[in-house]
Amino acid sequence: GQQLNQSPQSMFIQEGEDVSMNCTSSSIFNTWLWYKQDPGEGPVLLIALYKAGELTSNGRLTAQFGITRKDSFLNISASIPSDVGIYFCAGRPEYNNNDMRFGAGTRLTVKP
Amino acid sequence: DSGVTQTPKHLITATGQRVTLRCSPRSGDLSVYWYQQSLDQGLQFLIQYYNGEERAKGNILERFSAQQFPDLHSELNLSSLELGDSALYFCASSVSGYTDTQYFGPGTRLTVL
Repeated sequence: GQQLNQSPQSMFIQEGEDVSMNCTSSSIFNTWLWYKQDPGEGPVLLIALYKAGELTSNGRLTAQFGITRKDSFLNISASIPSDVGIYFCAGRPEYNNNDMRFGAGTRLTVKP
Repeated sequence: DSGVTQTPKHLITATGQRVTLRCSPRSGDLSVYWYQQSLDQGLQFLIQYYNGEERAKGNILERFSAQQFPDLHSELNLSSLELGDSALYFCASSVSGYTDTQYFGPGTRLTVL
């Protein structure tokens, strides 16, 4: 099935820098989720968004549910080495609330 | 710890064989989802069960099947295994299965030789 378009595919940044990544779809979504996955582990939920325009923070992480309902953004401020991992966006499309679509992930590397 | 448990953690088998992966959802969660993640790939949704009944189907092969038992644990059966079935298989659970969020288990790494 159609996956979400997530970008960038990978990022290499210095500790202390801010990070932005996004996820887009051609369809309208009712829910957007952001997960982080460490090597060999299952994805861990970071932020869940349920309304268009919603802006939610979790520590240094901030995510937004796009106004068009076709995109979402995740920002990480003042990155630290433990932010390393793969960040996945996920969402429930309006046309099928039983479905969950995932992005291919953004692999983040933080250099001390 | 998400509260979702999966066994075994690792599984190595040969082509043509059949394996069963097991998942116990978080306490109180009625919905279980199965995902496949191949090397460096995103998560592919396979199937969802809600309170014992199949709720949604994704990219699940006919060689694969799943079920959810009355105690809400779930099993994913993979048969006639092929090399390309080698992957991480994740189970996730949620309270209801609609707009609520999913919590993932640690995964089972399947290697088919």
